[in-house]
Parts: sequence; structure tokens; C-alpha cells
Amino acid sequence: AQSVTQLGSHVSVSEGALVLLRCNYSSSVPPYLFWYVQYPNQGLQLLLKYTSAATLVKGINGFEAEFKKSETSFHLTKPSAHMSDAAEYFCAVTFKIGFGGYNKLIFGAGTRLAVHP
Amino acid sequence: NAGVTQTPKFRVLKTGQSMTLLCAQDMNHEYMYWYRQDPGMGLRLIHYSVGEGTTAKGEVPDGYNVSRLKKQNFLLGLESAAPSQTSVYFCASRTPSDRDYGYTFGSGTRLTVV
Repeated sequence: AQSVTQLGSHVSVSEGALVLLRCNYSSSVPPYLFWYVQYPNQGLQLLLKYTSAATLVKGINGFEAEFKKSETSFHLTKPSAHMSDAAEYFCAVTFKIGFGGYNKLIFGAGTRLAVHP
Repeated sequence: NAGVTQTPKFRVLKTGQSMTLLCAQDMNHEYMYWYRQDPGMGLRLIHYSVGEGTTAKGEVPDGYNVSRLKKQNFLLGLESAAPSQTSVYFCASRTPSDRDYGYTFGSGTRLTVV
């Protein structure tokens, strides 16, 4: 069965430090991969997405992620954390299902990022 | 630009009561989805629809019903609410012609069942 695993439910970094949030997927077909961010009491906002073009994807707010097929991974990184990056981050994949298209989005459990001074 | 609008934003129900959550989108999207978000479990798909008059079950459909009578609206119903249905509910939509498969999410409905 298709699945998404986010390693680490909580990650804490210092302001200015590297942010690394891990995501691994399981799929028998080529996936499309996404990272979403959720600020407190808000909905989900798309950070970036991989849709079979370049394997290194750049998103908003200085985040980027690299699709590595051999490792079935799509880790999210940011070179220098900012206080405003504190939020919950979700990795998600979409797979082809019965209706003939990629129309089912499956989420990981989420990683809560804390940034301290 | 409204996007995806969910009503209500908050609701408290007593066990056994019923209610309907409304999701409305103004982007002419074909596909619509209902998710629930619980701590440590991410978002799980309840039901989805690939067009007006069609619905399908997701990962956790039990205890919920849905209807898509109009293209722009996707209703989620709880016939007899249970405390296990306390959650934050998100609606999302997208168009199948979107080659980037971009989903638009609503801001959520926080439901508490006591």
C-alpha cells in the first residue's frame, strides 16, 4: 500500500541553523510529492511540489526539497531557520487510482518545527 | 478571491446529534475532498468526489456521508456524532486539468463532540 512517513514528529533548531525535515514514501508507481505548511489555527499552504520535472525543487520562503528515487525520499531543507518558520509541516504524495488520474492525496503525520533564539 | 470556503468554522455537538459541514469553491474545480486532521496522524481522507453527482470513500469513511449535488458544493454529514469524531475537518479542491495537481484547501472546521 502507498504510504508516507515523516521521521520525527518534533524538530527543534536554533535561529539561523539548517532546517532538515525528513519524508520517505512508498509507492509502486511514480509519485507526485508535496510539502505543505500549517501555521497555528490556519489551513494548509503549499510550500513546494515535485511533479516529475527537476528533482531539486525550490519553494516559497527559502525552502527546497530533493526527490531521490533510489532512497524514496523527499526531504525538506532550508539553509537558515527564521523564527517565522515555526509551524507544522506535512509531506504528501499523490498516486494514480481508479478514476484514471492522480486524484488522491495522502499525508504524512506531520513534523512540528520549533525555532528558538 | 474566496477559493475554498468552509462553514461553520467551529461547532460543538452533543453525542448523537447530527450536523452538516459545507464546503464551497468558486474555482470551477471538478475534484473535491474532505479530510480530518488529528494530532500525530496528519490528514486522513474521509470521502472525495470527482464530479457533480459522484462520491467515493477514502481512508476513514465510517460515520460520515457526503453529497455533491452541485459542482461548487461538497457537503459532509455526521448522522449521529460520536466523541471519536472530534477533529479538525478540511475541505480541498482541484481541477483535473491542473498538470501540477495543485490542491486548494479551506481554513478548516473545528468540531468538538461532547
